[in-house]
Amino acid sequence: GAVVSQHPSWVICKSGTSVKIECRSLDFQATTMFWYRQFPKQSLMLMATSNEGSKATYEQGVEKDKFLINHASLTLSTLTVTSAHPEDSSFYICSARVPSGSSYEQYFGPGTRLTVT
Amino acid sequence: AQKITQTQPGMFVQEKEAVTLDCTYDTSDPSYGLFWYKQPSSGEMIFLIYQGSYDQQNATEGRYSLNFQKARKSANLVISASQLGDSAMYFCAMREGRHTGNQFYFGTGTSLTVIP
Repeated sequence: GAVVSQHPSWVICKSGTSVKIECRSLDFQATTMFWYRQFPKQSLMLMATSNEGSKATYEQGVEKDKFLINHASLTLSTLTVTSAHPEDSSFYICSARVPSGSSYEQYFGPGTRLTVT
Repeated sequence: AQKITQTQPGMFVQEKEAVTLDCTYDTSDPSYGLFWYKQPSSGEMIFLIYQGSYDQQNATEGRYSLNFQKARKSANLVISASQLGDSAMYFCAMREGRHTGNQFYFGTGTSLTVIP
C-alpha cells in the first residue's frame, strides 16, 4: 500500500533556530498534502493544506511566516519551523492525499516529534 | 459547533470482550466520509475503517465495525474480541463533501485500555 514517510522522526533544537521537516509520498504522487500538529493527549489540528506548485493554505491562527510550507514536487512537502520556541514543541504529522478510488483517502506519515529547548 | 464529538475520554475493556467507541458528527453536506484511526503510543495514525454517507450497509473490517446511524449522525466504532494490542488512542474523523482532497476534521479521541 501507499506509504508516507517523515524525516526526521524526532528532533531537538535550541530556541531561535529553524527546523525543517520533510514529508514524502514513497510510491504515489500526491498533489495535496496536509500538515497537522498534535499536543500531548490532544487531537490533531490541521495547520495547512499544501498543494504542489502553489502556495499553501493556512488555517486560521497559524502563522504562515513561522511555519513555512513548500510543496515543490509531487512527492515532497516540507514544513520549516522558523525561529522555534519552546511552545512550538509538539508532534507534527503530515498526510498525503491518495489518488482517487481508495477509501483511505489520506495516508499519514509516522510523525515528527519536535522539542525546542 | 464541533464537527466531530467523541464524548469518552477514556474507556476500559476486558480482553476478549467487545467495546463501542462513540462518535457523533455535525454536517449539512449530504456527501461526506467518516473514518476511524488508531494511534498507538508510537504516534502513527493507523487507518481502521471508512463509511461513506451514501453507503447503505455498515462498514466492517475484520474485528472492526462501524455502527452508522445517519439520522442520529453517529458513527460508533465497535471492536470485537478486544486484544491487548488494541490499547491506544482512537480518533473519529470526517471529510465533508465529495472531494477526497478536502480536509479531515478530527474528534478529541478516546483512550482505550484493554485489561488482561
